[in-house]
Amino acid sequence: AAGVIQSPRHLIKEKRETATLKCYPIPRHDTVYWYQQGPGQDPQFLISFYEKMQSDKGSIPDRFSAQQFSDYHSELNMSSLELGDSALYFCASSLGLRANYGYTFGSGTRLTVV
Amino acid sequence: SQQGEEDPQALSIQEGENATMNCSYKTSINNLQWYRQNSGRGLVHLILIRSNEREKHSGRLRVTLDTSKKSSSLLITASRAADTASYFCATDADFGNEKLTFGTGTRLTIIP
Repeated sequence: AAGVIQSPRHLIKEKRETATLKCYPIPRHDTVYWYQQGPGQDPQFLISFYEKMQSDKGSIPDRFSAQQFSDYHSELNMSSLELGDSALYFCASSLGLRANYGYTFGSGTRLTVV
Repeated sequence: SQQGEEDPQALSIQEGENATMNCSYKTSINNLQWYRQNSGRGLVHLILIRSNEREKHSGRLRVTLDTSKKSSSLLITASRAADTASYFCATDADFGNEKLTFGTGTRLTIIP
């Protein structure tokens, strides 16, 4: 069965550079969520989209922006990268705003800022 | 801010023993979910229990939920070396949005 696809798997950027992370949800899923997990920490919710509109916003820095496109894939754009942005970035998808059977997460993008 | 807190933070047991992890949360919830994460990898959904359920089973997993105490437990029976991972509980609040709030996780090590 198709899963949530994230790209790239690994990304190394320098401080002040820009990064774009991509998320392709499970086919027919219309809701995408982004989470950030720092080293040794629990995942923190960043932002979510439902039917291409932002549905909720968490602890996402102003330097980050995201959108969901017409094919339901989503991109997380990160500018002016800081060392503290180094983390695992996960995307999850669901059908509808509530995943009554749990969320399916992608394998994540590991971002390292040097 | 952190919704859930889990204890213990780390747990080491012998293969074949049972492992119990606990999670507490603060707000009213729609459901509570448990996820597993192998080191540095993705989150894998294990089981979901709704706020009107008290216990749920899935294979070697047993989850309980006590909404009066705002707590949940995950029991893994007959543990295997492959169960070594971090386990997170996550709550889906029953007000407004649908985001998950994760607990701090329990690092489980199964000793062969």
